[in-house]
Amino acid sequence: NAGVTQTPKFQVLKTGQSMTLQCAQDMNHNSMYWYRQDPGMGLRLIYYSASEGTTDKGEVPNGYNVSRLNKREFSLRLESAAPSQTSVYFCASRVAADTQYFGPGTRLTVL
Amino acid sequence: DQQVKQNSPSLSVQEGRISILNCDYTNSMFDYFLWYKKYPAEGPTFLISISSIKDKNEDGRFTVFLNKSAKHLSLHIVPSQPGDSAVYFCAASAGSGGSNYKLTFGKGTLLTVNP
Repeated sequence: NAGVTQTPKFQVLKTGQSMTLQCAQDMNHNSMYWYRQDPGMGLRLIYYSASEGTTDKGEVPNGYNVSRLNKREFSLRLESAAPSQTSVYFCASRVAADTQYFGPGTRLTVL
Repeated sequence: DQQVKQNSPSLSVQEGRISILNCDYTNSMFDYFLWYKKYPAEGPTFLISISSIKDKNEDGRFTVFLNKSAKHLSLHIVPSQPGDSAVYFCAASAGSGGSNYKLTFGKGTLLTVNP
């Protein structure tokens, strides 16, 4: 039981490049979330998926797209990366209770 | 507008003493509160939570207190241990248990426990 896994762990992009961050959970959770963490800013919600087949914007969705591929997987895509998207990205999942469980994070640098 | 505030960016305590981390919120619709702990290069891990119908919840060395009238909660760690050194995030939700449940996080407090 791996919990929430994220790939890659690290990534360096040039401005304008695209990439997809992958997230998978093996806890049979319904809801999944993408956050970014920046120094002094805490965790900010980018997008979430309350259940398979649905996605909604969070606090900072601009520049991102998401896909809930199935119940297990929730991907985050940057179509044209910008230096302002340099951050640590965390995926999380939740079943019915209020606790969210987080993955180990992806550290992204955009040059 | 920051709805969950952790006004102390850092806190330093001696091993064996009490650590008190504070959190204030502005949204009166929040009805569930959580504390997460985060080590460097790892994801946040759930520590303890409290529903708005309670004013205290205890789990081993960790106790969370909620003062709804003051819109304030605190996390007490007794006794503090060096392994408790981490960033602690306060989080809150409104309409807990609902399908569109979301967490709002504070900016975090770095706790350092000195041996």
